[in-house]
Amino acid sequence: QSVLTQPPSASGTPGQRVTISCSGSSSNIGTKYVFWFQQLPGTAPKLLIYSNNQRPSGVPDRFSGSKSGTSASLAISGLRSEDEADYYCAAWDDTLSGWVFGGGTKLTVL
Amino acid sequence: QVQLVESGGGVVQPGRSLRLSCADSGFTFSTYGIHWVRQAPGKGLEWVAGISYDGSKKFYADSVKGRFTISRDNSESTVYLQMNSLRAEDTAVYYCAKGRCSGGGCPEFDYWGQGTLVTVSS
Repeated sequence: QSVLTQPPSASGTPGQRVTISCSGSSSNIGTKYVFWFQQLPGTAPKLLIYSNNQRPSGVPDRFSGSKSGTSASLAISGLRSEDEADYYCAAWDDTLSGWVFGGGTKLTVL
Repeated sequence: QVQLVESGGGVVQPGRSLRLSCADSGFTFSTYGIHWVRQAPGKGLEWVAGISYDGSKKFYADSVKGRFTISRDNSESTVYLQMNSLRAEDTAVYYCAKGRCSGGGCPEFDYWGQGTLVTVSS
C-alpha cells in the first residue's frame, strides 16, 4: 500500500465542488510541501498544485490545494466533464529519503 | 521551454538489463534535476529515482536501490536510468519529469515526458 492515503474514488455532478483528501505523516506531509497531479487516460501526469497551494501557470483557479497537519486536500470547484481523471498527491519523505505518492483517486463526473 | 523525451524501453527477460534515456532539446537542461517515475499497468504512480542538476545528489526508492543507477551527461542533455537485475514487477511505463532548479524557486514535476514502456517477461 502507498505511504500517502487517498480515497480510491470520488464523484460529483457538473458545477459541484469536490474535494480529495491525502493523509500522510510527520515525515512527509507534516513537514514537507504537497504536490497534486492530474492524469487523464493514456497520458502523462500533469502538475496541478505545488508547494501545498500554488498553481502552475495555465492551471485554472478552479483547482486549489490546502494542508493541515499531516493531511492535505485538493478541491475542484465548478466541476466539468473534462475533470474526469485520476488524481495523485505526492510529497518528499524524510524517513525514506525519497518521494512518495498517494494511491490515486479516480474522479467521476456524473 | 523544457521538452523531455524518454527512450530505451522494450521487452527484456527477467534478470537482464536495460538503459533508459531522458533527453531535453532545450538549452536549460543543466540547470534542473530529473526524476524517474513509473506506473505499472492499471496501477498508480511510483517514484523511482532522482538526480540533481549537477549529478552530485542521487536518490532511489527502496524497491530499486542496488539494482538501478541514475546518471546524467549535461553535455548531451540526457539523464540515464540503468536498470539491472530486472524483475517482472519492474514492468511499467517509465516517465522522466523535471526536478528542482539549481537556484531553487521553480516547481518540480512541472514537465513530464510521454513515457516509455518496459516489459519484463520471459
